[in-house]
Amino acid sequence: SQQGEEDPQALSIQEGENATMNCSYKTSINNLQWYRQNSGRGLVHLILIRSNEREKHSGRLRVTLDTSKKSSSLLITASRAADTASYFCATARSDSNYQLIWGAGTKLIIKP
Amino acid sequence: DTGVSQDPRHKITKRGQNVTFRCDPISEHNRLYWYRQTLGQGPEFLTYFQNEAQLEKSRLLSDRFSAERPKGSFSTLEIQRTEQGDSAMYLCASSSGTSKNIQYFGAGTRLSVL
Repeated sequence: SQQGEEDPQALSIQEGENATMNCSYKTSINNLQWYRQNSGRGLVHLILIRSNEREKHSGRLRVTLDTSKKSSSLLITASRAADTASYFCATARSDSNYQLIWGAGTKLIIKP
Repeated sequence: DTGVSQDPRHKITKRGQNVTFRCDPISEHNRLYWYRQTLGQGPEFLTYFQNEAQLEKSRLLSDRFSAERPKGSFSTLEIQRTEQGDSAMYLCASSSGTSKNIQYFGAGTRLSVL
């Protein structure tokens, strides 16, 4: 069963605006990862945040993690049309050294 | 190309037929995963290999599904007696086995069962 739940399910914004997506999970984790999937393609790893980290940056991406609330957010700043994709969070559970638990994703549409 | 490759990219079959998909992981990765994904959903775990050993298989997976990874390199996923409900994208991923467990995905095989 899926552990992560992304919110919102879909998000449509104008190019240049910031996009924020949220993810909630249920169990203790080693890390939380965000992936992007373009339509009809495989998933691409974007960024990883460890359970003892609170914030991580990579280019236009900013990820936060609140382990007390079991939630994470992904912020994409200055969005571009090429950011149009589905975004998934995946949690690496602390009781498993191989399995990732996936959410249902947020579909992001950037309008030019 | 040093990424994960999957073949075929698309497969159309009639109900009741058997199909087989292939995945070639990144060569130095010892972990390999198969997932199924339907429209609007995240990847659903099917099975996991470490080297040639199949260490976990989802309880949701019926006995019509079987996967192999001979010699710990490429893997195949076979679906016997396909049903319309098997129509989905089948994704393969590999990872190096570090504690981060970052997974690298192929482009997937889209199966349509008519």
